Amino acid sequence: DVKVTQSSRYLVKRTGEKVFLECVQDMDHENMFWYRQDPGLGLRLIYFSYDVKMKEKGDIPEGYSVSREKKERFSLILESASTNQTSMYLCASSADRVGEKLFFGSGTQLSVL
Amino acid sequence: DQQVKQNSPSLSVQEGRISILNCDYTNSMFDYFLWYKKYPAEGPTFLISISSIKDKNEDGRFTVFLNKSAKHLSLHIVPSQPGDSAVYFCAYHTGGFKTIFGAGTRLFVKA
Repeated sequence: DVKVTQSSRYLVKRTGEKVFLECVQDMDHENMFWYRQDPGLGLRLIYFSYDVKMKEKGDIPEGYSVSREKKERFSLILESASTNQTSMYLCASSADRVGEKLFFGSGTQLSVL
Repeated sequence: DQQVKQNSPSLSVQEGRISILNCDYTNSMFDYFLWYKKYPAEGPTFLISISSIKDKNEDGRFTVFLNKSAKHLSLHIVPSQPGDSAVYFCAYHTGGFKTIFGAGTRLFVKA
């Protein structure tokens, strides 16, 4: 059974803290993505990676960075967490084919106080 | 500026009837449209897709229609079941690596 695993289901952090969100996939997928989901805004793409050590900015990269040292692992980093980064964060992966569907993790609900 | 618009935040339908979820888009440069379904406390899961060269795709109770001249996409669920109650996201996928999502429509199917 294919799986995308996010390390934390819920996280509470303080403003200014450095936050790491981890994601692991077991499908040998080339592409990995980080989205955030906010009410009324849908899923917005933060960063994605199409290969190890490669990364591309999505639509809302400000305040975030990513790391992909191994094919199966994609980390999202909030360098200095702010309250407007309180959100549901969703990691996804896909094979490298046009129209290929995304497989999502269960999400991490991050609250920044 | 949203490239994919789902103008109805919610929809309520009686069990057994048809559910129609709508999506409008602005960018004509896409390869596929996809629908995802999301239950609370879970990640979205893929439901059905349609390529840009087709105008209809069916999978069991789910049918997606694409009207390129109107830049409009719709998902039909027939018959609707209580287990279909979820948030449905319309998304498009270009030849690159990005999948762009709409804001979602919450479907309630009443028993």
